[in-house]
Amino acid sequence: EAGVVQSPRYKIIEKKQPVAFWCNPISGHNTLYWYLQNLGQGPELLIRYENEEAVDDSQLPKDRFSAERLKGVDSTLKIQPAELGDSAVYLCASSPGQGNRQGYEQYFGPGTRLTVT
Amino acid sequence: ELKVEQNPLFLSMQEGKNYTIYCNYSTTSDRLYWYRQDPGKSLESLFVLLSNGAVKQEGRLMASLDTKARLSTLHITAAVHDLSATYFCAGPSGGGADGLTFGKGTHLIIQP
Repeated sequence: EAGVVQSPRYKIIEKKQPVAFWCNPISGHNTLYWYLQNLGQGPELLIRYENEEAVDDSQLPKDRFSAERLKGVDSTLKIQPAELGDSAVYLCASSPGQGNRQGYEQYFGPGTRLTVT
Repeated sequence: ELKVEQNPLFLSMQEGKNYTIYCNYSTTSDRLYWYRQDPGKSLESLFVLLSNGAVKQEGRLMASLDTKARLSTLHITAAVHDLSATYFCAGPSGGGADGLTFGKGTHLIIQP
């Protein structure tokens, strides 16, 4: 079974430029998460989707960040414009969702390492 | 809002020794997760602890959960160099299939 796929793996951009990250979750997983991980820290939740609905975006800086999950499968996270402080690893995770206790486990993708110069 | 505290944050130990990483969390939770992260890699799920008193073991790692004390432990037995990594504990931010709140991680170095 394929894991969570993310692209690109690395991205270097200048500040004020836009950038987008793509995530393909594990097949059949209804719940998708985007996390941000700063160097030396644990991941922090940005947004959670149940199918195509964003059910928790309270931590997403909406002035410059946006996300979508059309058709409830793949998801895209966008930053426009990027700032120096956005340099971090952006992780996507998926989960089978509610319905059984094992469904709560989250599986993480390899991440996209963003450097803003 | 759940808060998760791990200690120690840094640990250097010798091969063959035993040690325990502690994870305290602030609000009632019936689930606790442990992840491993190698440098430059993503997070690998180690354990999902689903109930009070739960104990799970995989190789030299054993995790336990005490929901009354709001404490989980990750015990390392007879450490080997391959276990060098950063270990994170995490709990559901608000219950259900929520996002997770992570601790800051324990950076573990095991020296030959």
